[in-house]
Amino acid sequence: GEDVEQSLFLSVREGDSSVINCTYTDSSSTYLYWYKQEPGAGLQLLTYIFSNMDMKQDQRLTVLLNKKDKHLSLRIADTQTGDSAIYFCAESFWDGGYNKLIFGAGTRLAVHP
Amino acid sequence: KAGVTQTPRYLIKTRGQQVTLSCSPISGHRSVSWYQQTPGQGLQFLFEYFSETQRNKGNFPGRFSGRQFSNSRSEMNVSTLELGDSALYLCASSLARVASYNEQFFGPGTRLTVL
Repeated sequence: GEDVEQSLFLSVREGDSSVINCTYTDSSSTYLYWYKQEPGAGLQLLTYIFSNMDMKQDQRLTVLLNKKDKHLSLRIADTQTGDSAIYFCAESFWDGGYNKLIFGAGTRLAVHP
Repeated sequence: KAGVTQTPRYLIKTRGQQVTLSCSPISGHRSVSWYQQTPGQGLQFLFEYFSETQRNKGNFPGRFSGRQFSNSRSEMNVSTLELGDSALYLCASSLARVASYNEQFFGPGTRLTVL
């Protein structure tokens, strides 16, 4: 079945780059997403990438997609304390005529001074 | 445009009771999905409603049910509450466009505590 896997924790120093990794199983994915969840809040879309792209850059965020290995990563440059949150990777694919969305378990990013 | 709203934000119930949570999607969004988030299991999909019909369902027992009204507002119900049902319940809405990018917009969630 469909599955999305992420490492559970990542700790980085303020100012360093953070790289959060994700693997997925469905080769028919259409879009892949990164969501951010701050404490006590719902999920907020950070960025997304279409499955026929290899890379997408959006200010401090860089998304890399390796379709062969079904591997997705999110790089946050110059990580700040405000980036501390849980980051969810998600893939969408067609199932029974509509878009189905599967989330990973989330990676908790801790940024320390 | 107002975002996705969920009521109530916090709820405390006891085992055996039942609970109803409400979600109002963004205006114009026809798809509403529900998720359960717990520290141990992460984010788990409950079900999705589109035009008042449930079109996708996750692996949850029949105690979890939902419905969607003609104005796209959705409710989920949990009967015979168990301690393990304590979680953050998130609702998300989307335009559900065919063959296109469909961002899901999440509400702030309802924190349910079962004692």
